[in-house]
Amino acid sequence: LAKTTQPISMDSYEGQEVNITCSHNNIATNDYITWYQQFPSQGPRFIIQGYKTKVTNEVASLFIPADRKSSTLSLPRVSLSDTAVYYCLVGDPLEAPYNKLIFGAGTRLAVHP
Amino acid sequence: KAGVTQTPRYLIKTRGQQVTLSCSPISGHRSVSWYQQTPGQGLQFLFEYFSETQRNKGNFPGRFSGRQFSNSRSEMNVSTLELGDSALYLCASSPRTDSYNSPLHFGNGTRLTVT
Repeated sequence: LAKTTQPISMDSYEGQEVNITCSHNNIATNDYITWYQQFPSQGPRFIIQGYKTKVTNEVASLFIPADRKSSTLSLPRVSLSDTAVYYCLVGDPLEAPYNKLIFGAGTRLAVHP
Repeated sequence: KAGVTQTPRYLIKTRGQQVTLSCSPISGHRSVSWYQQTPGQGLQFLFEYFSETQRNKGNFPGRFSGRQFSNSRSEMNVSTLELGDSALYLCASSPRTDSYNSPLHFGNGTRLTVT
């Protein structure tokens, strides 16, 4: 599984757009990029997943450049409730072992009033 | 559709005791994984079960074990508890076999405190 590097922490204010970048220089051809969000004392929650270019859903966008060595999670107009830890994961869906996700330290996002 | 349910939510045990944690996956999900989360080590993979078979195991001592029942419900057991076993234990389920590409659905965990 490719190693990922994310900022340890970020601060923002309500209403701003937040971009969290994840570096994965050793990403392999079959690897997908997945982001999870975790609130204190809760399990991680799937946010978004992509392979290349741009993916958007109701909560976030994921930007992946052509070389795929990094990806950026974009959260539009954050609110206090977006304060959480965000994890970037990279892996091949067909590579055993199954379900053995390797979580890094994540990025602790603090949204201020 | 109900989410992943973990019981109990909180548990306090003393060193040397054993503990059993339970996880009910989302209906139809056949894969169940377990993770340990601590402030120092972050989220670490324990093991994964599919169709009552352990398919993969993380780097934890043999005191940590698990099983899965025919209805996909899973339990994990920790014997001879140590203070360092204090953690949030998370269970996640997934519907697919090649499920890395299929996002995991996590429960809210069991907070185990060993005194």
